[in-house]
Amino acid sequence: GIQVEQSPPDLILQEGANSTLRCNFSDSVNNLQWFHQNPWGQLINLFYIPSGTKQNGRLSATTVATERYSLLYISSSQTTDSGVYFCAVLDNAGGTSYGKLTFGQGTILTVHP
Amino acid sequence: NAGVMQNPRHLVRRRGQEARLRCSPMKGHSHVYWYRQLPEEGLKFMVYLQKENIIDESGMPKERFSAEFPKEGPSILRIQQVVRGDSAAYFCASSLTQGARNEQFFGPGTRLTVL
Repeated sequence: GIQVEQSPPDLILQEGANSTLRCNFSDSVNNLQWFHQNPWGQLINLFYIPSGTKQNGRLSATTVATERYSLLYISSSQTTDSGVYFCAVLDNAGGTSYGKLTFGQGTILTVHP
Repeated sequence: NAGVMQNPRHLVRRRGQEARLRCSPMKGHSHVYWYRQLPEEGLKFMVYLQKENIIDESGMPKERFSAEFPKEGPSILRIQQVVRGDSAAYFCASSLTQGARNEQFFGPGTRLTVL
């Protein structure tokens, strides 16, 4: 099956710093999503971004599908940005498997005040 | 603008009991997915359902686990004779469509603890 690798595994920042999280995937995909799992365990949709660039406030994301990677940018980080960031891709194995999101292992972000 | 609803949010069971987890998709969504997050691990796909049909159950353990999405009512993930290794967070997601454009929206999860 498709492999999804995220880097770095851990990231510690001071409030106000910028960061870039990376997601590499091993095969072509039809769908890519970024999520934030907050300290209470809830999964928050950040971006649905199979290709191109999107921005939402201090967050932006870029997916280069032909080169099989996506980047999540966080600018002017805040303590509330702490948590785990997951990248997930839709396995394009064909047939009926159009529902299976494969998740990376996540990047644990800690933002200190 | 209700999102995906899951209940209960926390569930405690003793070994050998049954656990029933419920998921109500977003309004208008007819595609439901269940994922499991074991402690210190990422999220793993379990099953994909549409109304009254199981589309893909490739991630479901072979025994004790079952899922349904009836014509009326929420989707149910059922775990029979729970064991300690079933302790995990179970997330439900829903989407409007299937295929390439199925952005999935996740519920808050049910945290199952097996004593």
